[in-house]
Order: sequence, then C-alpha cells, then structure tokens
Amino acid sequence: GENVEQHPSTLSVQEGDSAVIKCTYSDSASNYFPWYKQELGKRPQLIIDIRSNVGEKKDQRIAVTLNKTAKHFSLHITETQPEDSAVYFCAASLYNFNKFYFGSGTKLNVKP
Amino acid sequence: GAVVSQHPSWVICKSGTSVKIECRSLDFQATTMFWYRQFPKQSLMLMATSNEGSKATYEQGVEKDKFLINHASLTLSTLTVTSAHPEDSSFYICSAPHGPSGSGEQYFGPGTRLTVT
Repeated sequence: GENVEQHPSTLSVQEGDSAVIKCTYSDSASNYFPWYKQELGKRPQLIIDIRSNVGEKKDQRIAVTLNKTAKHFSLHITETQPEDSAVYFCAASLYNFNKFYFGSGTKLNVKP
Repeated sequence: GAVVSQHPSWVICKSGTSVKIECRSLDFQATTMFWYRQFPKQSLMLMATSNEGSKATYEQGVEKDKFLINHASLTLSTLTVTSAHPEDSSFYICSAPHGPSGSGEQYFGPGTRLTVT
C-alpha cells in the first residue's frame, strides 16, 4: 500500500513568517494530494489539494508544490497568523479509489 | 457543501460490550464511505472501505470480525466495535467522496470519540 511520510512533526514560527511542511509518498500511481487542517477534536478540513497533472497550485496565502519524479509535495503558508496554528496532514490517494493515506501530521504553532 | 454526520459524537462503554457508530451523508448519496481511526496526537489511519451492497474491504492489520461494517443504504454506513477493550479507545472518523467524477473530493464526519473503561 501507499506510505506517506511527513516532516517536520512540529513547527514553530513567528507571526508573519512562512511555514513549509513536506511530504513524500511511495506509490507512483498516486495522483491526488490533499492537505488538511485539523483542530483538536474536530474533523479535518481541506485547505488545498493538487492533482498529478499540475506542479503547483496557489490559493491566497497557501500554496502546494508537487514533484512527481521525486514523489514529494510540500505545503507553503506565507504571512502566517496565530489562527493558522493547528495540526496539518498531507495525504495521497488514487482518486479513482478515493482511499486516503495520511502523513503523520505537523503541529504548527504561530507565535504572535 | 456536502455534509457528513456521525452519531454519537462521543460514547463511553464498558470493556466487553459492543458499540455502533453511524455515518450519514445528509445531502448526497455515497456508494462508498471510509472509516478512519485516530489515536491521540497521531494521524488518521484508514481502517476499511464501506461499500453499499457488498462487503467492506479492510486494510491490512484491521480485524474484520472486531470492526463490523454495514453499508445499509446509499446514505448510511455503520461501524460496530465488538467486544470493545480499552485499547480500542480512539477517535473514529468516517468520510464520503462527493463531487465531479474522479475529483477526489471527500467530506469528513465530525468524528466519534470512543472511550472503553
């Protein structure tokens, strides 16, 4: 099955700085890569996703890059704000099957 | 957007008893739903795929006789934890795909926190 690794496990940044979270995946057939934000005890919320036919996608302060050859993808958050503090999960999926395999998560702490 | 609900939101049960968790798609039909388990400060681990009209498919290492899944209708999947033990205490989350065909979009339920005493 798919194996997704995520780094770092924790990340502290100063408000206004950028944050980068990286993931690698093992199955070259995976072609859909969503990122989720999860607050304690809540459901994961999709923040951005990318498909394998695209190398980069941006939505305001959030961007995701994908390198299919190297099988890694990254989340970039610019101008971080305290409300960005949460746990972030990457995932990989064969989207025809919709099964998601999640990374281990990154706890982001944005210090005011 | 699409809404997925779960019931109950939390449950406490005694060791050895069984607990049923419901996952419903409220405004769309889902022939497939997924069940995940999340231990504290850990990731979501895919347990099984629930298929309407056929047997569920389980991920490697998940005991199918312990975690019974029934996809009773196009809007309801249930997960029954049988003979629960304290190590089954966890946050159980379901999800259902919805969106244009092949879009990959999934909607998650709010989760059910199970505590086994």
